[in-house]
Amino acid sequence: DAGVIQSPRHEVTEMGQEVTLRCKPISGHNSLFWYRQTMMRGLELLIYFNNNVPIDDSGMPEDRFSAKMPNASFSTLKIQPSEPRDSAVYFCASSLREGRVGEQYFGPGTRLTVT
Amino acid sequence: DAKTTQPPSMDCAEGRAANLPCNHSTISGNEYVYWYRQIHSQGPQYIIHGLKNNETNEMASLIITEDRKSSTLILPHATLRDTAVYYCIVRVTSYIPTFGRGTSLIVHP
Repeated sequence: DAGVIQSPRHEVTEMGQEVTLRCKPISGHNSLFWYRQTMMRGLELLIYFNNNVPIDDSGMPEDRFSAKMPNASFSTLKIQPSEPRDSAVYFCASSLREGRVGEQYFGPGTRLTVT
Repeated sequence: DAKTTQPPSMDCAEGRAANLPCNHSTISGNEYVYWYRQIHSQGPQYIIHGLKNNETNEMASLIITEDRKSSTLILPHATLRDTAVYYCIVRVTSYIPTFGRGTSLIVHP
């Protein structure tokens, strides 16, 4: 398996623009997670899905952020409009099955820079 | 979730064992101990987990004290590629690790 795939790997955009990050989880995994990592705040969970359904989005910073999972093999995280404080590395992770404690597999991340 | 305490940094000579401690004195009976690591510019990587018994896999060994209030991750023969931030996480049976600051391990030649 290729592991969790994220695209793009790097994104540079101007403030106010829409940004869409993409994730393909490991085949057969039924849980998907979006994290954000900055030097100041470390690794923060934004939202997670189970069987394509959002379970907890309490970590989503504000309404500018939205996430979807239209099917088991694809998810997007959208920021509209983007702001410089959104600059961070965004990780997607997936796990095998509900109740499997903590064993997540992370993608390589998308480094977002908003100028 | 039980809070964990880890030293902010450690170093180890290549080829020697790296022993990374974690304190989780408020752990409760149904909480697991998990270890992840994050190599620079990569996503976190699962290493190992345990509940009560010591565990070993191809990457590392996990030693949990009898009272479960602390644990040690052991990399038996550290290599330069083991240089990373190591996270100790304690969690009940859900699948959402909460990552703290971890221990930055530097393996030197």
